[in-house]
Amino acid sequence: QKEVEQNSGPLSVPEGAIASLNCTYSDRGSQSFFWYRQYSGKSPELIMFIYSNGDKEDGRFTAQLNKASQYVSLLIRDSQPSDSATYLCAAVNTGNQFYFGTGTSLTVIP
Amino acid sequence: DTGVSQDPRHKITKRGQNVTFRCDPISEHNRLYWYRQTLGQGPEFLTYFQNEAQLEKSRLLSDRFSAERPKGSFSTLEIQRTEQGDSAMYLCASSLTHSNQPQHFGDGTRLSIL
Repeated sequence: QKEVEQNSGPLSVPEGAIASLNCTYSDRGSQSFFWYRQYSGKSPELIMFIYSNGDKEDGRFTAQLNKASQYVSLLIRDSQPSDSATYLCAAVNTGNQFYFGTGTSLTVIP
Repeated sequence: DTGVSQDPRHKITKRGQNVTFRCDPISEHNRLYWYRQTLGQGPEFLTYFQNEAQLEKSRLLSDRFSAERPKGSFSTLEIQRTEQGDSAMYLCASSLTHSNQPQHFGDGTRLSIL
């Protein structure tokens, strides 16, 4: 079982819609979770991090964490074509190791 | 620019040659990480340093790979006797001390083995 799992997609949403990206993790003791955006041929760029159960909002982005279900999500409101990228979920497990998922490819259609 | 800097951006070499990459982290960051990423995959952890100490190495890091951070600032990653399977993007990231701190990535070094 992989430490962090994501649906690889591709996920397509129309411009202006809400994009919902999901991630599950295997180590129940994981405490820290991160979302990165990666454009093709570029390096990952930090979008948000979340440590506590519940929602955390930053502009058009909302991260959601449910530790009981071992589930992390990222919502992107009012999606723009410039949001088209691969979104990587990462978690720090109880061994303090940083694991990435394989990423979900998002396409926002104008 | 005060971000993470990697050099070179691209490296093309013949199989069997040695290559060395350099990473300069954000200046106040104590931790420095190396990852490898291939197409369609997320970054795979290779190793990390806390200041000059190499604290962990992945099983992915064969004997042909070695990393150093001699003065706790910049780091180098060397691959000896390169193989076709070493072709990948090598990413460096840095963070503040604790494991739960966000990591900030450099632009990466793309290695192509002919």
